[in-house]
Amino acid sequence: QPVLTQSSSASASLGSSVKFTCTLSSGHRSYIIAWHQQQPGKAPRFLMKVEGSGRYSKGSGLPDRFSGSSSGADRYLTISNLQSEDEADYYCEMWDSYTRSWVFGGGTKLTVL
Amino acid sequence: EVQLVESGGGLVKPGGTLRLSCAASGFTFSSDGMSWVRQTPGKGLEWVSYISNDGKYIYYADSVKGRFTISRANAKNSLYLQMDSLRAEDTAVYYCARIEYQLLTSDWGQGTLVTVSS
Repeated sequence: QPVLTQSSSASASLGSSVKFTCTLSSGHRSYIIAWHQQQPGKAPRFLMKVEGSGRYSKGSGLPDRFSGSSSGADRYLTISNLQSEDEADYYCEMWDSYTRSWVFGGGTKLTVL
Repeated sequence: EVQLVESGGGLVKPGGTLRLSCAASGFTFSSDGMSWVRQTPGKGLEWVSYISNDGKYIYYADSVKGRFTISRANAKNSLYLQMDSLRAEDTAVYYCARIEYQLLTSDWGQGTLVTVSS
């Protein structure tokens, strides 16, 4: 069963940058993942997909402050110029063709100071 | 604009049944796979079930296999989840989700709460 590992929490100051990491388990290092944002009390929202090559494609309307990248088994989501509305939980997701199942990371809770 | 609107949640006793529906609009429903994803209050996301655009491929999480049945009616732009033999641990908000061509979630509904309790 594949695993996506995320830190449980992060914090950063208003106007600064933060970088989230999603680490794919062994055997899945080349997989594409998706990042989703869930603001308090709301449904998740798709942000972007990030490929193993580092290429990323964002959802419609997502500001340029959001970007993606990749290194080995790690997939990143970077938010620059943090705003108060960025305070949310961030989840990564992958599809595993071997088990024919979807896997979500445990999520990272972002606090904007 | 893509819209996914779930309905059918509520309070049900252990061992009971419930049927969730998801009304889709703003995209060609018959072209895309769909999933159900749930979230226990205060916890993370858990994938529940998937159905391909034509209903040919259906997958379930082990936690619901044999108890839940996913289906769709493309003529009605609707997705369903029949939930039988419900347990307390099935208590969660259930989200309807659109799956794009790389088999990742591209859109989410607003969710419907299912509470299993005596």
